[in-house]
This record gives sequence, C-alpha cells and structure tokens, in this order.
Amino acid sequence: EPEVTQTPSHQVTQMGQEVILRCVPISNHLYFYWYRQILGQKVEFLVSFYNNEISEKSEIFDDQFSVERPDGSNFTLKIRSTKLEDSAMYFCASTPGQGMYTEAFFGQGTRLTVV
Amino acid sequence: GESVGLHLPTLSVQEGDNSIINCAYSNSASDYFIWYKQESGKGPQFIIDIRSNMDKRQGQRVTVLLNKTVKHLSLQIAATQPGDSAVYFCAENPNSGYALNFGKGTSLLVTP
Repeated sequence: EPEVTQTPSHQVTQMGQEVILRCVPISNHLYFYWYRQILGQKVEFLVSFYNNEISEKSEIFDDQFSVERPDGSNFTLKIRSTKLEDSAMYFCASTPGQGMYTEAFFGQGTRLTVV
Repeated sequence: GESVGLHLPTLSVQEGDNSIINCAYSNSASDYFIWYKQESGKGPQFIIDIRSNMDKRQGQRVTVLLNKTVKHLSLQIAATQPGDSAVYFCAENPNSGYALNFGKGTSLLVTP
C-alpha cells in the first residue's frame, strides 16, 4: 500500500538553528500539506502546496517557515531560526486530486525537539 | 473563531462493547468531515468520512453520523477491540480550501 514517508523520525536541534524536514508524498498525489501537533494538543494545519506553489497557509506559517518541492518526489519544510515553541510533531500529508472530498494520507511524522 | 471540538477527552470501554465518540463543530459552512485514528507515535490514519449532503455513512465496524441541525458528528465503533485503543480526531473541511481543521481528540481505551 502506498504511503507518505517522512525523514528523519526525530530531529533535535539547538535554538536558533535551521532545520529541514523531508517528506516523500504518495507518487500520484497532487496536493501536499504540512501539519504540526504540539504534545498533547490537536493537529494544526500549516500549509498546503499545489502545482509548485503555496495554495493555503495558516497564521502559524509565518516568514520563519518555507516549503519546497526540490524534485519530483520530495517535499520539504524548512524552519529557520528555530524557537523552543517549535518543538512538535510535524506531519506531512498528501491528497490525490483537486477534489475537496478526498482523504488526506499522513506520514508517520517527524518529532522536532528544540533545545 | 470557528472551531471543531470534542465533548469528552477520554473514553474507556470494555472489549466487545460499542463505542461512541462525539464531536461538535461550529462552522455551518463545513462541507466534509473525516474521522482519523492516531496510535501512539504514528500519524493520523483515515477511518471514515462523510459529506454534508449525507447524515449517515457506514464502514467496516464503524458508522459516522452527521447532524447538521445541531452541528454534531459522531463515530460509532461496533464490538470494540483492543486494537481500537487510540486517540480519535474529527476533522472538518470548512469549504474554504483543502486544509483540514482538527478537533482536540478523544482517547479511547479498550479494557479486556
């Protein structure tokens, strides 16, 4: 069964450093997403990406964040100048088409710990 | 602001019993709803979805009910099994794009 894969599974970084979280969405999917989940809290939408550009973003997704699809398979989230409050699980997701009524498939997540 | 929330943070049921997990939403424009299951250390896993033009949808051992009048969504799990123990999230698509708005989650614990 096709799945969304994320690397690394756990990333520890020092405050102020930059991190890049990597995702390989399902191969024939067209929409890609990043969500985050602070420990014990709900999953929060960060950004969606379609046709090589951001289609939606939340208030959380400020200038500290950026996304990129550097090649035909990877989708990355870059967090610049990390803060302690950026510590969370970051989930990548993808959906197959333009239809709104399709489930999002989630990866296993990257646990980011900022120290 | 618009929100999706869950009535109960934890639910404990005995194996074999039926489970009902509830969710309230406040955005009357929401058009699509999904239930996700999240096991410890894993990403959300799709369970079942429902569009706003339906009030009930059934899957394997699961049923989702949608009451648009009171903006309430529920997930029913029949004959709950230990493997059903997880956190369950409802999520809505508020018809403003493709992003999902998640609720806070209900932890389901199945006891033998």
